[in-house]
Amino acid sequence: NAGVTQTPKFQVLKTGQSMTLQCAQDMNHNSMYWYRQDPGMGLRLIYYSASEGTTDKGEVPNGYNVSRLNKREFSLRLESAAPSQTSVYFCASSEALFVNTEAFFGQGTRLTVV
Amino acid sequence: AQKITQTQPGMFVQEKEAVTLDCTYDTSDQSYGLFWYKQPSSGEMIFLIYQGSYDEQNATEGRYSLNFQKARKSANLVISASQLGDSAMYFCAMREGPYGNNRLAFGKGNQVVVIP
Repeated sequence: NAGVTQTPKFQVLKTGQSMTLQCAQDMNHNSMYWYRQDPGMGLRLIYYSASEGTTDKGEVPNGYNVSRLNKREFSLRLESAAPSQTSVYFCASSEALFVNTEAFFGQGTRLTVV
Repeated sequence: AQKITQTQPGMFVQEKEAVTLDCTYDTSDQSYGLFWYKQPSSGEMIFLIYQGSYDEQNATEGRYSLNFQKARKSANLVISASQLGDSAMYFCAMREGPYGNNRLAFGKGNQVVVIP
């Protein structure tokens, strides 16, 4: 089972460039999430999608956009990258019907903006 | 507003001893779930244990147990008989119910180092 697949694993961008982080899950989960992880800050929620066709802002949405393309895929776009967006990005998915289902994570994308 | 609070600094634990990691949370939902994840230095997120807001018993999974005090809004993780492989970051997380739109938020984490 692939689980949650994120691409790319590593990326270096120049300030002002744009890019899209891809995430796909094969577990038929309704909910998908994007987090960023910075030292000492834990995982901070950027955007999430409780179900196909819906997206909501998390704690730190500024500078990002998301698309829930279908039930499997949830992409995160940086329109104009800034050094402050240097981070490790995690995508996660879970079944949303009940609160007792854990989230499954991708391997992470290490993004550096120079 | 921060909904999950983990405030302990990095902890050193002797091998074979128990360690308790503190977590407090805040929510208006009556239905919610609490989770603990482990993140070793390799970076992957590993699910450890779950506690539901309506569960009357504290959750246990092998050497992991969760000390759930609903009135205090705390969900502390206890790792018994620590092993060297337990050295990692540990994150507390909460999924809120319908009023929170199933949002899943994490705390800042606790660093644990197990020493032989």
